[in-house]
Amino acid sequence: QQQVKQSPQSLIVQKGGISIINCAYENTAFDYFPWYQQFPGKGPALLIAIRPDVSEKKEGRFTISFNKSAKQFSLHIMDSQPGDSATYFCAAREANTDKLIFGTGTRLQVFP
Amino acid sequence: GAGVSQSPRYKVAKRGQDVALRCDPISGHVSLFWYQQALGQGPEFLTYFQNEAQLDKSGLPSDRFFAERPEGSVSTLKIQRTQQEDSAVYLCASSSPGTKNTEAFFGQGTRLTVV
Repeated sequence: QQQVKQSPQSLIVQKGGISIINCAYENTAFDYFPWYQQFPGKGPALLIAIRPDVSEKKEGRFTISFNKSAKQFSLHIMDSQPGDSATYFCAAREANTDKLIFGTGTRLQVFP
Repeated sequence: GAGVSQSPRYKVAKRGQDVALRCDPISGHVSLFWYQQALGQGPEFLTYFQNEAQLDKSGLPSDRFFAERPEGSVSTLKIQRTQQEDSAVYLCASSSPGTKNTEAFFGQGTRLTVV
């Protein structure tokens, strides 16, 4: 069963716009929620991460919003740039196993 | 090395052939994970090692899949009698649990194509 649901599947944004990707999870035994960025032919690279006791985390142009009661979290990319064009995965880490459960990914395209 | 290294980068296997995929984790990283990423999908967990101990192999899709990490560093994922549905990118990740930074670092993956 899919424990982490991600939307949208693809996203097209103009340069300078805001990109928003949403995820929802089902299992409450997750203790860490990272977002990964993946370019074609490369492995996923950690972008930003949040723990469930925090409602928001900002690093530069990237912000995670976390709603524990709704079991939802989202990635906001401000001032999107063509170099941000990549596939983004949300993930949730199981507290007792350390394994990551990934969403299905969002392909972001930022046009100049 | 500076990051997680996987080899080969690409592997084409004939159906029924055995393959071995190698992962060199970041030096000193205790935890090592294998994931399978089908085209257009997110990575899916296969198995997890802490040092040389395989603590979780619940994600291995069949008994044709076998992983080992005999000395607690380099790991090998072996697939016997490959099938077309095994075609995917196999990702290795390592991390150092118990530290403040719990980031898992991924390698570039091995793209396996079974023909």
